[in-house]
Amino acid sequence: AQSVSQHNHHVILSEAASLELGCNYSYGGTVNLFWYVQYPGQHLQLLLKYFSGDPLVKGIKGFEAEFIKSKFSFNLRKPSVQWSDTAEYFCAAKAPGNNRKLIWGLGTSLAVNP
Amino acid sequence: EAGVAQSPRYKIIEKRQSVAFWCNPISGHATLYWYQQILGQGPKLLIQFQNNGVVDDSQLPKDRFSAERLKGVDSTLKIQPAKLEDSAVYLCASRLGRPSDTQYFGPGTRLTVL
Repeated sequence: AQSVSQHNHHVILSEAASLELGCNYSYGGTVNLFWYVQYPGQHLQLLLKYFSGDPLVKGIKGFEAEFIKSKFSFNLRKPSVQWSDTAEYFCAAKAPGNNRKLIWGLGTSLAVNP
Repeated sequence: EAGVAQSPRYKIIEKRQSVAFWCNPISGHATLYWYQQILGQGPKLLIQFQNNGVVDDSQLPKDRFSAERLKGVDSTLKIQPAKLEDSAVYLCASRLGRPSDTQYFGPGTRLTVL
């Protein structure tokens, strides 16, 4: 079965530390990849997505992710986190096509200490 | 542009009671999704509509859950009768139409079944 795994369930960092959240997927073919974020008390919102082209994807708020096909990975990175990055982060994947559904990881809870 | 609207935001019911949730997607968005998000997990797709037709309801517990999108705009999700394990946040999301379009999420309805 298709699945998405996120390696860390809880991450605690100090401000200005670098962040890398792992995400692996189990699709064998072409895949579309997403990172969503949910700030406390707010909606889920898209951070960035990969469909094709440059495997290094830039998102909002200084986040980026790199698609490494050989490793089935799509890790999220930020060079210097801020307290306002405290949130739940979800990785999701889907096979191409209009009606394919997103498969979600369990999420990573990030707490950034000021 | 108005976002995805959901109501109510919170609902507390006793087991075996019924409950209904309402979603109004972003204007013009053809695709509408209902997700169930249990605490500590990623969203799980319950049902996907394309206009007023069901595209995927493979994970909808049809013995107790039902959903409709009669005019291809707003949608309702109903649970009857509710069980304790239905306690979760119910998220509605919508997408314009193309596979590369972003899914936009509503604030969710937090359901507690006692």
